[in-house]
Amino acid sequence: AQKVTQAQTEISVVEKEDVTLDCVYETRDTTYYLFWYKQPPSGELVFLIRRNSFDEQNEISGRYSWNFQKSTSSFNFTITASQVVDSAVYFCALSTGTASKLTFGTGTRLQVTL
Amino acid sequence: GAGVSQTPSNKVTEKGKYVELRCDPISGHTALYWYRQSLGQGPEFLIYFQGTGAADDSGLPNDRFFAVRPEGSVSTLKIQRTERGDSAVYLCASSPGHPYNEQFFGPGTRLTVL
Repeated sequence: AQKVTQAQTEISVVEKEDVTLDCVYETRDTTYYLFWYKQPPSGELVFLIRRNSFDEQNEISGRYSWNFQKSTSSFNFTITASQVVDSAVYFCALSTGTASKLTFGTGTRLQVTL
Repeated sequence: GAGVSQTPSNKVTEKGKYVELRCDPISGHTALYWYRQSLGQGPEFLIYFQGTGAADDSGLPNDRFFAVRPEGSVSTLKIQRTERGDSAVYLCASSPGHPYNEQFFGPGTRLTVL
């Protein structure tokens, strides 16, 4: 069975601070994909990144970066110099098998204030 | 181009009634997914279509839930004899169909069963 754990329920930071959202996953499959989605107050899930199990390279996209470590089954997400517009619920998700259905964590609510 | 659309955006019904929720995927996307999101939780997988057929319906909670996609495009999620516990946001997602592609989500239908 697949499982995704996001232990941080809610994080509050002041604008311009860096923040890291943790994600730990469990799967017995050797081939899998990991995702991060953002759910702003409007409610629509927005895709941020996909990473496959064979590619442990870290990735940076603007102020966003992701650290994938198979040794600790973690796929953490860092926002540098946070902005108020980053306030949202962030979900980590895991996909295995040909159906590609996503198993989501419970999400981390990020609140960025001025 | 147009994203995934879902109708209605809100649905209020009484316990025991029948409801239908509609999803229009992105044009050309062969894979379609339904998820259910309860308050404070991550989305939970319900069913996956590849083309017209339900390739994986392992997430449907019981036989009151049924979904169809007769022409491989629009899908309808049907819930019979609704119960208060069915209240949630029902999300639809589509993807181009290759395994592990990112899924694009619609805005969801908020179902409230009184």
